[in-house]
Amino acid sequence: EVQLVESGGGLVQPGGSLRLSCAASGFTFSTYWMHWVRQAPGKGLVWVSRINGDGSRINYADSVKGRFTISRDNAKNTLYLQMNSLRAEDTGVYYCARSYFYVSGSFAFDIWGQGTMVSVSS
Amino acid sequence: QSVLTQPPSASGAPGQRVTISCSGSSSNIGSETVNWYQQLPGTAPKLLIYGNNQRPSGVPDRFSGSKFGTSASLAISELQSEDEADYYCATWDDSLHGWVFGGGTKLTVL
Repeated sequence: EVQLVESGGGLVQPGGSLRLSCAASGFTFSTYWMHWVRQAPGKGLVWVSRINGDGSRINYADSVKGRFTISRDNAKNTLYLQMNSLRAEDTGVYYCARSYFYVSGSFAFDIWGQGTMVSVSS
Repeated sequence: QSVLTQPPSASGAPGQRVTISCSGSSSNIGSETVNWYQQLPGTAPKLLIYGNNQRPSGVPDRFSGSKFGTSASLAISELQSEDEADYYCATWDDSLHGWVFGGGTKLTVL
């Protein structure tokens, strides 16, 4: 079964750090772009970052640039998000998602994890 | 403020047809394909439409998508109670070099 399972969320003080993990199974992890998407409580989805299959291409949303680092370990089939200098506005559920390239020439997030909650508060 | 603009809410009676709009610009919808996601309460998002109008395997043909210029639409026909969810449009933005989502539309089945 194709599956993504996030972990590592929790309560952290402003200015603190947290590392999220996303364990992939059921597919050839190293051949897919992977993404982090977050959702503040009661709010909409916001894309955070992406990384290509071999880790050589990375993009970030402006709101996290310089504070968050995305990475992957293809030997462990795991995606990571290192979050530093956390702010209250970083609070929310963090989802990892697989990006699939369809024959029609389109990319879409076809597989999502269940999410892990990050709370930034003193 | 989201880069893509959706109405915050939509509603319809069972059996009716509803449409949800998504407005963008030349750097996103105008030059890229649009995807739609459904998020049922308390669950992760699910891909509903990709490539403007393609349905992944398992998505009923009651759901359809379209795009014209810098706007896109999701249509849901024969509304059912289980369609009550939040719906999000998304696409790549060439100026921001990132993916962008609409603010989401909460669909209520009356």
